[in-house]
Amino acid sequence: DTGVSQDPRHKITKRGQNVTFRCDPISEHNRLYWYRQTLGQGPEFLTYFQNEAQLEKSRLLSDRFSAERPKGSFSTLEIQHTEQGDSAMYLCASSPTGREYEQYFGPGTRLTVT
Amino acid sequence: GNSVTQMEGPVTLSEEAFLTINCTYTATGYPSLFWYVQYPGEGLQLLLKATKADDKGSNKGFEATYRKETTSFHLEKGSVQVSDSAVYFCALSRTNAGKSTFGDGTTLTVKP
Repeated sequence: DTGVSQDPRHKITKRGQNVTFRCDPISEHNRLYWYRQTLGQGPEFLTYFQNEAQLEKSRLLSDRFSAERPKGSFSTLEIQHTEQGDSAMYLCASSPTGREYEQYFGPGTRLTVT
Repeated sequence: GNSVTQMEGPVTLSEEAFLTINCTYTATGYPSLFWYVQYPGEGLQLLLKATKADDKGSNKGFEATYRKETTSFHLEKGSVQVSDSAVYFCALSRTNAGKSTFGDGTTLTVKP
């Protein structure tokens, strides 16, 4: 069990560019979540997957955001035409079947949009 | 909708002092309640949980009791250590819904 990993850990991009983040959950965890955290606030839910199915998306997830989990293992979160307001820490978590509330978080990807 | 309110920080204590971090929630039904801890430079870690009213979650000397009548889940520790310095987040989740709703976090600094 190597924990949830995220890549990259830091990303600096210019406004208008597209970025993609990757999350590798703990193996055999069937649920995978994406959250966004800004300075001084708690994580805010973005979306989650059960295996490869995306089951819920927050209103925070505008049309510029898309997430995939094509084979029910790793997931990607893409932001198109980034804006300065997208600057935040993007957190991924996974949880095992039967203990969905027990979320294991990765270290996050810090995005800075200049 | 669901919401979590934590006492504002930062909280600064001397080593061996008693810690309380208040947390209240608003939710329909019977959510599960959690405390997460985030050490500097690290990801969130689940500290303790309680899944029904009157349950007490405990871990590493920390405790919290699920109080439905006051919709609270206050975090306590009898004697803090410097190594407890971190940001603490209270959260709730509807059982089996998965996603969690977090408070804004309370920064704890323990001085030797």
